Amino acid sequence: NAGVMQNPRHLVRRRGQEARLRCSPMKGHSHVYWYRQLPEEGLKFMVYLQKENIIDESGMPKERFSAEFPKEGPSILRIQQVVRGDSAAYFCASSPSQILNTEAFFGQGTRLTVV
Amino acid sequence: AQSVTQLDSHVSVSEGTPVLLRCNYSSSYSPSLFWYVQHPNKGLQLLLKYTSAATLVKGINGFEAEFKKSETSFHLTKPSAHMSDAAEYFCVVGPGTNFGNEKLTFGTGTRLTIIP
Repeated sequence: NAGVMQNPRHLVRRRGQEARLRCSPMKGHSHVYWYRQLPEEGLKFMVYLQKENIIDESGMPKERFSAEFPKEGPSILRIQQVVRGDSAAYFCASSPSQILNTEAFFGQGTRLTVV
Repeated sequence: AQSVTQLDSHVSVSEGTPVLLRCNYSSSYSPSLFWYVQHPNKGLQLLLKYTSAATLVKGINGFEAEFKKSETSFHLTKPSAHMSDAAEYFCVVGPGTNFGNEKLTFGTGTRLTIIP
C-alpha cells in the first residue's frame, strides 16, 4: 500500500503564474488535508476535503487559493497568480476516517519556490 | 480552541544520553496528542499518539511520551539517543472529543542535534 503521494516534489514558478499541487491519498482514504509550512515554522492547517466536498477551508487564504478532491483522481491545491510569500512547503495528509479516531498520514510535500 | 507550545526550539544531546523534548498543550476538549518527526527534506512520520487510552505511550524507535493532564504536558523522551535521531520534532494537538473539528495544530518544532 503506497503512502500519500504528492507531486511534484519541487515546483518553481515566476510571480504571477499558477501553481498546481497534486495529492493522491493512501488507498481507502477518503479524507484529505492540506497544510503549509513556512520556513522555520510548524505546519498550518489550510483545508479539509472529502470526496467532492470541501468540509473546512478556514485556513485557506480567501483569494488566489482553491482546493478540490474530485470523485476520480487526486486532490489538487491550486494557487493562482503566485507571489513570493507563497514560497513554502505544502503537505498533504490523508486518513481513513475522521482524525479524532485515527491518525493522519503525510506525504513528502511539495516545495514551491516563487521567483 | 487548541494550541501547543514546544518549549525548546533546539536541543543538543550526546549520542547514548537521554533525550527530552518538552511540549505543553491547551485544549477546550479532551485532546488527542501526537509527536511527528521530520527528517531534512522529507515528509512527516508519526512517532506516537495519545487518544485517551494509556497515559504512557510507546512509539517507534524507542521513543515514548507521557500524557499529564494536571500539567497539560506531553513530553517526548528516549533513554539513549542515536545519531539517526537528528531531525525536527513536532508536537501536535488533535481534536480529541471536539467532534466536527478536523484540524491538527502543530507546535513550532524542536530541532534535535546529536553530538557524536
